Amino acid sequence: GQNIDQPTEMTATEGAIVQINCTYQTSGFNGLFWYQQHAGEAPTFLSYNVLDGLEEKGRFSSFLSRSKGYSYLLLKELQMKDSASYLCAVREGSTLGRLYFGRGTQLTVWP
Amino acid sequence: DAGITQSPRHKVTETGTPVTLRCHQTENHRYMYWYRQDPGHGLRLIHYSYGVKDTDKGEVSDGYSVSRSKTEDFLLTLESATSSQTSVYFCAISESGEETQYFGPGTRLLVL
Repeated sequence: GQNIDQPTEMTATEGAIVQINCTYQTSGFNGLFWYQQHAGEAPTFLSYNVLDGLEEKGRFSSFLSRSKGYSYLLLKELQMKDSASYLCAVREGSTLGRLYFGRGTQLTVWP
Repeated sequence: DAGITQSPRHKVTETGTPVTLRCHQTENHRYMYWYRQDPGHGLRLIHYSYGVKDTDKGEVSDGYSVSRSKTEDFLLTLESATSSQTSVYFCAISESGEETQYFGPGTRLLVL
């Protein structure tokens, strides 16, 4: 199996910036995904990185360093609706699209 | 949003009974996946399909079987449900193995 590690919980205040880290160990790395999941709902796709560097999409950005086995999701100008679980998932090149998920980081945004 | 539905959305059953969950898609995507999500474990792959009648096991396949007789439907069967299979089950689809996976709304299963 894969070893994907992310913090269990984080808290932040409205308007702030928060960085959620994800480290992984895998063979044949072929991409890293971030999903957002609100309580009682399905995961929804946020971002995808396969090359090193930063991908920006509005208030959300995701960074990848393949040599370090490290990614982060950066959320800017936090809003109450950003309170959710954030899931890091790694795809291996040899596994026909299979994703391996971390346990998720529960983010709580306070007013 | 991708056109994915799951049925039933909620189910309560008793230990030892068979249960079938259905995932239906209208996107004509080739790949379909079944996951379970449990506190402290995150999402874990049960089985997946890479085409009609083409399926393979995931990390937690024991006690589960799947079938895919047509592109749009992927069925997950618990042959004899156990309390350890109480979970939330998500179906996901992907156009190809290289594309993003999109998730259905989930099925909450309680095995008493």
